[in-house]
Amino acid sequence: GAGVSQTPSNKVTEKGKYVELRCDPISGHTALYWYRQSLGQGPEFLIYFQGTGAADDSGLPNDRFFAVRPEGSVSTLKIQRTERGDSAVYLCASSQWASGSFETQYFGPGTRLLVL
Amino acid sequence: KQEVTQIPAALSVPEGENLVLNCSFTDSAIYNLQWFRQDPGKGLTSLLLIQSSQREQTSGRLNASLDKSSGRSTLYIAASQPGDSATYLCAVSGFYGGSQGNLIFGKGTKLSVKP
Repeated sequence: GAGVSQTPSNKVTEKGKYVELRCDPISGHTALYWYRQSLGQGPEFLIYFQGTGAADDSGLPNDRFFAVRPEGSVSTLKIQRTERGDSAVYLCASSQWASGSFETQYFGPGTRLLVL
Repeated sequence: KQEVTQIPAALSVPEGENLVLNCSFTDSAIYNLQWFRQDPGKGLTSLLLIQSSQREQTSGRLNASLDKSSGRSTLYIAASQPGDSATYLCAVSGFYGGSQGNLIFGKGTKLSVKP
């Protein structure tokens, strides 16, 4: 079946602009995660959704970052007043929640954000 | 605070060699540990997931072990091939920041298998 998809694959924007990054999880996966990966580093957790609600947003770096998942499927990560330091690859992952345990997280290809 | 360390940072081996990648974590209270592969400019591909109650998992030429009490995992790759060249990432999930399931990643081991 279809995997996790993310759009756009690349985004170039200017400092101070607003951007939206979209994630389509695997159908039926209730858990959705956003991570950010800088060059040479492992991904860092941003926010986790269980269904429609954000179960943990402790990884969001500041209030310029916000994410929604209004119908429990597609999620959008929104960044206001972008800064050059926001440049990174933004990864989305989804997983099943089964019998009280977290299952394998499946990752999308990522959105490469460059803030000039 | 959970920290994940991967050694070595980079590894170059000739084709056909068996090799071991190492991962250590500071907090043994984990739910599971996952090994991922990342090709340049691509997303992550899940290789193996080991639940905290398990000791190892195998898939083809890959074998991952978990020693939760000592905070260590190894990924063993048998008979390496040039197509195995990629960055291998280790990640653990546990109860952090008030919720469960978030993965904490190491920085990865960049593997190069020479023909």
